[in-house]
Amino acid sequence: EAGVVQSPRYKIIEKKQPVAFWCNPISGHNTLYWYLQNLGQGPELLIRYENEEAVDDSQLPKDRFSAERLKGVDSTLKIQPAELGDSAVYLCASSLETDRLSHPTSYEQYFGPGTRLTVT
Amino acid sequence: GENVEQHPSTLSVQEGDSAVIKCTYSDSASNYFPWYKQELGKGPQLIIDIRSNVGEKKDQRIAVTLNKTAKHFSLHITETQPEDSAVYFCAALGYSTLTFGKGTMLLVSP
Repeated sequence: EAGVVQSPRYKIIEKKQPVAFWCNPISGHNTLYWYLQNLGQGPELLIRYENEEAVDDSQLPKDRFSAERLKGVDSTLKIQPAELGDSAVYLCASSLETDRLSHPTSYEQYFGPGTRLTVT
Repeated sequence: GENVEQHPSTLSVQEGDSAVIKCTYSDSASNYFPWYKQELGKGPQLIIDIRSNVGEKKDQRIAVTLNKTAKHFSLHITETQPEDSAVYFCAALGYSTLTFGKGTMLLVSP
């Protein structure tokens, strides 16, 4: 079974330019997450989708970041305009959220390889 | 919100030795505690997890223990091998958000 797919793997842009990242979750997974990982740190949640709905975007800097998951499958995360401080790894993860009492594996989140963004 | 502290930040062991990584959490409502292994240039890989109704779980050379009263959980790796070298992250799941520790860089020397 294919894992979470992300593209591009690497992106170098100049500050003030726009950039977009794409994620395809594990087939059948209804919940999708975007995380930010700074060097030497653990992942931090930016946004969580349940199907098409963004159910937690409290940590997403909405002045420059946007995300969409139009058909409840693939998702795109965009930054416009990018700033030097946005240099980081952007991780996508997915899970199958169901009744956790009867489906214990619904807690499990699986990550993609990430996109390493460098803003110069 | 949840706060997860992880220690040590780096750990060097000889091949065959055991390694222990410890984490504490702040939110008593957290009920799921996964551990991830991240190799250079890759995304975090789920290696083991434990739920709040269990005190210990083992999978071959790795084990996790949970003390809900003290709000701490630990990862134990026995008979370490060079391929165990990576960064390990603990995490705690509250209502819906997974909060990660800052990671432990494990180096296993042959």
